[in-house]
This record gives sequence, C-alpha cells and structure tokens, in this order.
Amino acid sequence: EVQLVESGGDLVQPGGSLRLSCVASGFSVSSYRMNWVRQAPGKGLEWVAHTGIGPDSTTYADSVKGRFTISRDNAKNSLFLQMNSLRDEDTAVYYCARDHGGAYSYWFDPWGQGTLVTVSS
Amino acid sequence: EIVLTQSPATLSLSPGERATLSCRASQSISSDLAWYQQKPGQAPRLLIYDASNRVTGIPARFSGSGSGTDFILTISTLEPEDFAVYYCQQRNSWPRTFGQGTKVEIK
Repeated sequence: EVQLVESGGDLVQPGGSLRLSCVASGFSVSSYRMNWVRQAPGKGLEWVAHTGIGPDSTTYADSVKGRFTISRDNAKNSLFLQMNSLRDEDTAVYYCARDHGGAYSYWFDPWGQGTLVTVSS
Repeated sequence: EIVLTQSPATLSLSPGERATLSCRASQSISSDLAWYQQKPGQAPRLLIYDASNRVTGIPARFSGSGSGTDFILTISTLEPEDFAVYYCQQRNSWPRTFGQGTKVEIK
C-alpha cells in the first residue's frame, strides 16, 4: 500500500526554524516527483515546493522562496522540508504529496495526513 | 500566476440531487486541470485529472469536463459521503495553484 507519513510539526516562534519529514512506503521517492502543499487553518490549499527526479530540479512558491528548502533522502525513502525564518503566515497543516505518475502528471496523489506547524510568540 | 476561481462558494443540496461545480482559469490552461475532494480532518483526494479522467476507484457519478478556461465537475447523484469541499488545481504553469474551494453541504 502506498503511504506517506509526515512528522516534525510543532509550535515555533517567528524567525525560528523547523524541519518536516515525510516517510514514504509502498514506492520509492527516488522514482517520483514530490511536493509539499499547505493549508492554513480554515483556508484553502497552497502549493509550497516541488522536487523533480533529477538533481537541482526544485521549484518554490514565491511566498517561501529563499526561506524553505525541499530535499529527499532516497536511502531513507523520505522527503524533507527545511523551513527557516518562519513567519506567522506560515502557520498551516503541511502535506507531503506524491506525483500521480504517468507521462506528464504534476497532479498530487496520494497525500499524507499532514503535520501542523504553528508560528506564534 | 494563474488564478482559478471556483463557483459557487457553497452549494446546498440534498442527497440524490445533481451537483455542478465550476472552475474558471484566468488564462487558457488547455486540459491541465484536476479536481480534489477534501473532507473535514482529512487530506485532499484526487478525483479527476487532465480535466476529465477519473482516478481509478472513483465512482462513475463523478465526472469532469471543459478545456481552455472553463471547467465543470459534476456529481450526478449526491451520496451522503460526497458532502465535502472540492478544489480545482492547474498544472499549466508555475506556481501550481488551487481554486479557493466549493463546499457542498447538505440542504
């Protein structure tokens, strides 16, 4: 069964850092594009970051560019999101999402259950 | 950035009725559109991709149509488990964007 399990969410002060993890099972992260998508409390979905299969193939939303870094560890079959210089507006549930697959895709499927990041003093 | 505008914001219907959800893109995106369903406390789930292709395991009562700038998600006969929030998403350009969502609620 394909599964994604996020962890690392916490309460952090503005300006602080946090590293989110997403452990995959049932497939190899090395073979798929991977993404982080977030959802602020009571709000809609916002794509945050993407990593392609090849090296140096990362893309970020403008709202996090220069502050967040997406990476993967193929040996651990895991995806990460390093978040620095956190702001109040980064408060959200962060979802790890795999690419649906296929020749073109860039659809998000499946998703993990999410991990909550709260930025507050 | 491509803006996706969903309408209506809320759709109040009864089980057994037909639901029609709209998603309009700020510029042409060909068929580069997907629909997701999200229930309270759960992660979103991909329903429809490439505007009209149903994901394996998604019931046939869900269908998608459209191309260019105007897209429709139709639920032919609402079941109790279909009451949820639905989002559209485009992959035509970066950044990937979502619509603001349509809540389908029980009337």
